[in-house]
Amino acid sequence: AQRVTQPEKLLSVFKGAPVELKCNYSYSGSPELFWYVQYSRQRLQLLLRHISRESIKGFTADLNKGETSFHLKKPFAQEEDSAMYYCALSGAIIQGAQKLVFGQGTRLTINP
Amino acid sequence: DAGVTQSPTHLIKTRGQQVTLRCSPISGHKSVSWYQQVLGQGPQFIFQYYEKEERGRGNFPDRFSARQFPNYSSELNVNALLLGDSALYLCASSSWTGVSGANVLTFGAGSRLTVL
Repeated sequence: AQRVTQPEKLLSVFKGAPVELKCNYSYSGSPELFWYVQYSRQRLQLLLRHISRESIKGFTADLNKGETSFHLKKPFAQEEDSAMYYCALSGAIIQGAQKLVFGQGTRLTINP
Repeated sequence: DAGVTQSPTHLIKTRGQQVTLRCSPISGHKSVSWYQQVLGQGPQFIFQYYEKEERGRGNFPDRFSARQFPNYSSELNVNALLLGDSALYLCASSSWTGVSGANVLTFGAGSRLTVL
């Protein structure tokens, strides 16, 4: 079974402090991992995907297959980073379906 | 491009009624997926359609059905509404074809359904 766990529902840090949003997954094959973000009054949008190995808005995430984790990190938080963050997994294409399994989300609040 | 558009944005129904939600994908995207997001939880996969065929179905009862039209727009139907069907229903499109294309979903703003 595919499962994504985000252990923190709420995370609050001060501006300029480092941020780490945790994501652990359960999947027996080779997954594709994503971070989606939802800013206030905006739609859910892709932040980054592990195969791109990009840094988006200062965020990075490394897939650790040994620990089955895909934590999202940023060295210096900014107030505009306040949002809801969802980790998502796409496993092997089953019967031709492109299905994302989402975690419950972490609400990140950056305090001034 | 307006992105993925969904209608209606909000609606209120009573138990036992039926609802139809509509979605227009990004131009050029042939794959449309539907997700249910209950308050406080992450989105949960309901259906995926590609080229008018159902390619995947999540763990939802048969009261939930969908279809995709020749112009790649899609409708989600829910019959015999229950209080627990109250949620934000998200539509997403992608360029994925099952063989090639980015495995990335672009979401619409959602249709918020309240069942009384």
